[in-house]
Amino acid sequence: GESVGLHLPTLSVQEGDNSIINCAYSNSASDYFIWYKQESGKGPQFIIDIRSNMDKRQGQRVTVLLNKTVKHLSLQIAATQPGDSAVYFCAENQAGTALIFGKGTTLSVSS
Amino acid sequence: DGGITQSPKYLFRKEGQNVTLSCEQNLNHDAMYWYRQDPGQGLRLIYYSQIVNDFQKGDIAEGYSVSREKKESFPLTVTSAQKNPTAFYLCASMKARGTEAFFGQGTRLTVV
Repeated sequence: GESVGLHLPTLSVQEGDNSIINCAYSNSASDYFIWYKQESGKGPQFIIDIRSNMDKRQGQRVTVLLNKTVKHLSLQIAATQPGDSAVYFCAENQAGTALIFGKGTTLSVSS
Repeated sequence: DGGITQSPKYLFRKEGQNVTLSCEQNLNHDAMYWYRQDPGQGLRLIYYSQIVNDFQKGDIAEGYSVSREKKESFPLTVTSAQKNPTAFYLCASMKARGTEAFFGQGTRLTVV
């Protein structure tokens, strides 16, 4: 079936660098996307969302970009900090309110 | 405070026994979800419910059952038919389609 996936399972960066985490989705009917952060042993926490009528949305230190032409989503984290180390998931909201998740990217930040 | 609560945090059961995981929310959300997460893996959808007394199977519903008798509660039963039940189980709720889903802190089930 159609699902959301991520390009890289792991990403290592230095403190202060910008991080870019990518996600590819396959369901062109999805119109709402969310990025979540999950720390070890905890439930996912909302970071930022974007609707399909937008290309870009900015939050505090985070930006989500949506390219509907190639079905690609990315999360940019500015000035990455050690506290940003976690697993990041993208999720798409498909018809019928089911929220479908990708496999996740583990971000490691070294100081 | 409003939120979504899963209990217990850790659960141990013997093989062949049914076990029920609790999920309660006081956010007045209509939709609730159950996901399973295995080590190093993403979240896979087990069941979801959009309104009281209605629920749909997700991608991996076999060996699981749910009920939605109250808006606030969406318990998940892991039956003996589930061949590999040891996993981290996450419950979530959403006010409506196209809005943020809130997650509980998860229940780690270990079957011995």
